[in-house]
Amino acid sequence: DGGITQSPKYLFRKEGQNVTLSCEQNLNHDAMYWYRQDPGQGLRLIYYSQIVNDFQKGDIAEGYSVSREKKESFPLTVTSAQKNPTAFYLCASSKGLAGTETQYFGPGTRLLVL
Amino acid sequence: AQSVTQLDSQVPVFEEAPVELRCNYSSSVSVYLFWYVQYPNQGLQLLLKYLSGSTLVESINGFEAEFNKSQTSFHLRKPSVHISDTAEYFCAVSDTVGGSEKLVFGKGTKLTVNP
Repeated sequence: DGGITQSPKYLFRKEGQNVTLSCEQNLNHDAMYWYRQDPGQGLRLIYYSQIVNDFQKGDIAEGYSVSREKKESFPLTVTSAQKNPTAFYLCASSKGLAGTETQYFGPGTRLLVL
Repeated sequence: AQSVTQLDSQVPVFEEAPVELRCNYSSSVSVYLFWYVQYPNQGLQLLLKYLSGSTLVESINGFEAEFNKSQTSFHLRKPSVHISDTAEYFCAVSDTVGGSEKLVFGKGTKLTVNP
């Protein structure tokens, strides 16, 4: 089955620690996205990538970093500079970056701070 | 920049009752509109979308939404809801002005269907 996988489902971060969230898709999509979801806040865009080896900051990129070395993978690192990382993180992909494209979402990773 | 307002953060209804979830967006020359649904502890799934043509769009599970350009609205409706419709619903918009390819999401409406 084609789809998007995210791992782990739950992740715990200690103070001062960097953690990496995995996102893999087998839909052969060019565009990939990372969103942060907080209760009552909707989804906010962290980073997006239109093509391999290229990515752009979204609305709340501070304290996060990404890479896009392979078409199917778009990992997100939450750095120690992100002071309030507790949230639900969603990865998505689409065929292209056009505004008409449907985005397909993974099941999410919940990040908690110890 | 585009913005989306979902007027109700929570909507409780009884099973088999009709429901309307409201969505308004900031005006633009040309927009594309989406409704996504999120079941508890899951990712989002596309429910329906408006790109062009008929202003009334339907989903396979009985929801429909109407694009109203003059009122800049895209309200979601269902004539008779089921317990299984309990979820959070997000309205989203993208536009073609200024080359923006990003989706902007509303804050969501939690629909709770009670027996």
